[in-house]
Amino acid sequence: TQLLEQSPQFLSIQEGENLTVYCNSSSVFSSLQWYRQEPGEGPVLLVTVVTGGEVKKLKRLTFQFGDARKDSSLHITAAQPGDTGLYLCAGVEAGSYQLTFGKGTKLSVIP
Amino acid sequence: ETGVTQSPTHLIKTRGQQVTLRCSSQSGHNTVSWYQQALGQGPQFIFQYYREEENGRGNFPPRFSGLQFPNYSSELNVNALELDDSALYLCASSHRVDEQYFGPGTRLTVT
Repeated sequence: TQLLEQSPQFLSIQEGENLTVYCNSSSVFSSLQWYRQEPGEGPVLLVTVVTGGEVKKLKRLTFQFGDARKDSSLHITAAQPGDTGLYLCAGVEAGSYQLTFGKGTKLSVIP
Repeated sequence: ETGVTQSPTHLIKTRGQQVTLRCSSQSGHNTVSWYQQALGQGPQFIFQYYREEENGRGNFPPRFSGLQFPNYSSELNVNALELDDSALYLCASSHRVDEQYFGPGTRLTVT
């Protein structure tokens, strides 16, 4: 069983559309991160959320941490082809030193 | 500020052989973590080194071992390679477990 479940697994949308991807778990996390990974490269940290209910914005990307610190969402407004990539959520369980990743959502934005 | 670098970029080995992968951490970071990313999956935690000591390990057998040097660079060694070891191996350096910076990875193919 995957500790962090991401959905959808694949997403293909037209440029200009909005989208939301989800990261869910039955465990409580002390913090949760979102990374973007492009083919042949390592993941790049986008944001870290640490407080239940926290919302962070990064240009057209909005990240939310669930009130119970078990889930998170990433919303992209007016998607652009440059947003194409694998979006990974990762979390640190309370009291842990280990970063656990979900399987990722593969996003394709078609011009 | 120099980012995380890894070498080699690609490597092809035969089943049963041994391999050493190298990582130079980002300047000022004293913690290095190694991950294995199989095709279509998120990164899986192998182990973490802090000030030259292993201080955490994921669900990987003992034939996966590592070292961290006084300059905080690190090696990942894998003995008795198996076909399933074919993957992208990622190194990440950090001050904090929830803010990790990844290198570009080493693509290992075992034939």
